[in-house]
Amino acid sequence: GAGVSQSPSNKVTEKGKDVELRCDPISGHTALYWYRQSLGQGLEFLIYFQGNSAPDKSGLPSDRFSAERTGGSVSTLTIQRTQQEDSAVYLCASSLAPGMNYGYTFGSGTRLTVV
Amino acid sequence: KQEVTQIPAALSVPEGENLVLNCSFTDSAIYNLQWFRQDPGKGLTSLLLIQSSQREQTSGRLNASLDKSSGRSTLYIAASQPGDSATYLCAALTDSWGKLQFGAGTQVVVTP
Repeated sequence: GAGVSQSPSNKVTEKGKDVELRCDPISGHTALYWYRQSLGQGLEFLIYFQGNSAPDKSGLPSDRFSAERTGGSVSTLTIQRTQQEDSAVYLCASSLAPGMNYGYTFGSGTRLTVV
Repeated sequence: KQEVTQIPAALSVPEGENLVLNCSFTDSAIYNLQWFRQDPGKGLTSLLLIQSSQREQTSGRLNASLDKSSGRSTLYIAASQPGDSATYLCAALTDSWGKLQFGAGTQVVVTP
């Protein structure tokens, strides 16, 4: 596609429920990144994909968080048993290839509210 | 661990004035430094990318400088316009595969 697409744009869920956030990167972009932006905080790295592999998932806050990428394209971030502190904007970005020479294209994000 | 700081946190200027946004980082071993713009409720838009070997990059009214030795980057926006109102974020590339360390941003308001 022309840009990075994220869905849903907004999600309100009850504490304890599971949620899935979707990211559709730019076609042909091999690198995909998830970040989280909490109110009053900077962007926090969550996980990086190169193709379908996740060489670095060090930013995932707990084992309630998981992510996968299939077909070298769409990625899904799953949060199980959501907690109020999970409320944030989840941003996805893709890049033609990993590394210093390629810029990022960000999606518009999914605003998650846990009530 | 790399720490990226942006000062000021917020800035308001009248239209036509030049904007100067500051970004500092604690570890000079970066691959590049990137500036982004974020509008309310939107994702990030890439503005400028400065490689570690470069001193500055320019795009239209925007100019960004990089001084690795002092751990600083500055974004200059000439002749500001109300449409420049947004939050500006800087980010240091700390890993060769693309992990960015972001500052908290500077919220800019340009008044007509």
